[in-house]
Amino acid sequence: KAGVTQTPRYLIKTRGQQVTLSCSPISGHRSVSWYQQTPGQGLQFLFEYFSETQRNKGNFPGRFSGRQFSNSRSEMNVSTLELGDSALYLCASSPDRGQEKLFFGSGTQLSVL
Amino acid sequence: SQQGEEDPQALSIQEGENATMNCSYKTSINNLQWYRQNSGRGLVHLILIRSNEREKHSGRLRVTLDTSKKSSSLLITASRAADTASYFCATDAGGFQKLVFGTGTRLLVSP
Repeated sequence: KAGVTQTPRYLIKTRGQQVTLSCSPISGHRSVSWYQQTPGQGLQFLFEYFSETQRNKGNFPGRFSGRQFSNSRSEMNVSTLELGDSALYLCASSPDRGQEKLFFGSGTQLSVL
Repeated sequence: SQQGEEDPQALSIQEGENATMNCSYKTSINNLQWYRQNSGRGLVHLILIRSNEREKHSGRLRVTLDTSKKSSSLLITASRAADTASYFCATDAGGFQKLVFGTGTRLLVSP
């Protein structure tokens, strides 16, 4: 069974631009979560989707948004990029809301110049 | 911040030695998990311990949980060079499917 796939692996953008990151969960997994990892703040929860509905949201500005499609694939979007948005963005999936263990993708490394 | 603290921040040992890392958290939890991350890649789930459990084993891993002290420890026995990675504890203190991660311990195992 294929793991969680995140694309692209690396991304370089400039301030003010917007970016879309993609995540394909493990087949059959319906919950998708996103985390931001930076050296200063560590791993922080962005949001979680289940059956196309956002169920949880972290403490991030509205520039960070996401969505989930009917096939459980998810995208997150960051608009008006700031230097501080440079981070490793990790996507994780799990079978359903009764499963606490998360399966992570390899992440998208975003650099904002 | 709800973020947990881990210590030590970094640990350097020789192959064959045991490695112990500790995690403290701030609020009540239902479970605590440990994850491993190799050099900026994704996290890999290692073990989950529930709040009503005090100790759990999985292969060379032993996890303890003390809910009265809001702390957990991860012991890796007979370490190998391949165990070199960062280790994170994570609790469900943020809510279901909303993990709160610790600051992590960087483990270096030298041959």
